[in-house]
Amino acid sequence: AQSVTQLGSHVSVSEGALVLLRCNYSSSVPPYLFWYVQYPNQGLQLLLKYTSAATLVKGINGFEAEFKKSETSFHLTKPSAHMSDAAEYFCAVTNNTGGFKTIFGAGTRLFVKA
Amino acid sequence: NAGVTQTPKFQVLKTGQSMTLQCAQDMNHNSMYWYRQDPGMGLRLIYYSASEGTTDKGEVPNGYNVSRLNKREFSLRLESAAPSQTSVYFCASSEIGGDQETQYFGPGTRLLVL
Repeated sequence: AQSVTQLGSHVSVSEGALVLLRCNYSSSVPPYLFWYVQYPNQGLQLLLKYTSAATLVKGINGFEAEFKKSETSFHLTKPSAHMSDAAEYFCAVTNNTGGFKTIFGAGTRLFVKA
Repeated sequence: NAGVTQTPKFQVLKTGQSMTLQCAQDMNHNSMYWYRQDPGMGLRLIYYSASEGTTDKGEVPNGYNVSRLNKREFSLRLESAAPSQTSVYFCASSEIGGDQETQYFGPGTRLLVL
């Protein structure tokens, strides 16, 4: 069975500071991993994804994530936070072994202080 | 392209009433999904349709039915609404092959059951 754990339901950073959102996963087979972002009153949109190519994945808006198999982690980072980054972020996992079922984490809300 | 569209945007029901949530996509995707989003629980899969003519239960199917009307449309029906079904409902779609793992989300339907 697959699962995703996002550490911290809320994260607050100052504008210009490093953003680090943590995600750990559990999967019995090689996973596909995703980060999605949700702005207020909108649906989710893809930030980046890992599909067994390069372990360091770059996404939109300056975000990147590193797949670490030994730590079963896929943490999301951005060197310098911008006010427009304030949103909710979801980590997700799928193993594509039939049914295309994606498991989402509970989400982390990012606050950016001026 | 409109992407994934959902109607209605908001709905208030009384316990026991029925309603159908509509979803359509114009990306020629094969797979479509219905999720519900509740605070602190991320997104949970209700039903999905891997391809036209097929539907399967997700994590929380009880109290819901679905219809894959054609390749574009995937509807979710609540036969007898309950307060526990108060939630935000998202429809999503994805392609098979290549970019199959990425899901594209609609803007959501906010449902309140009194």
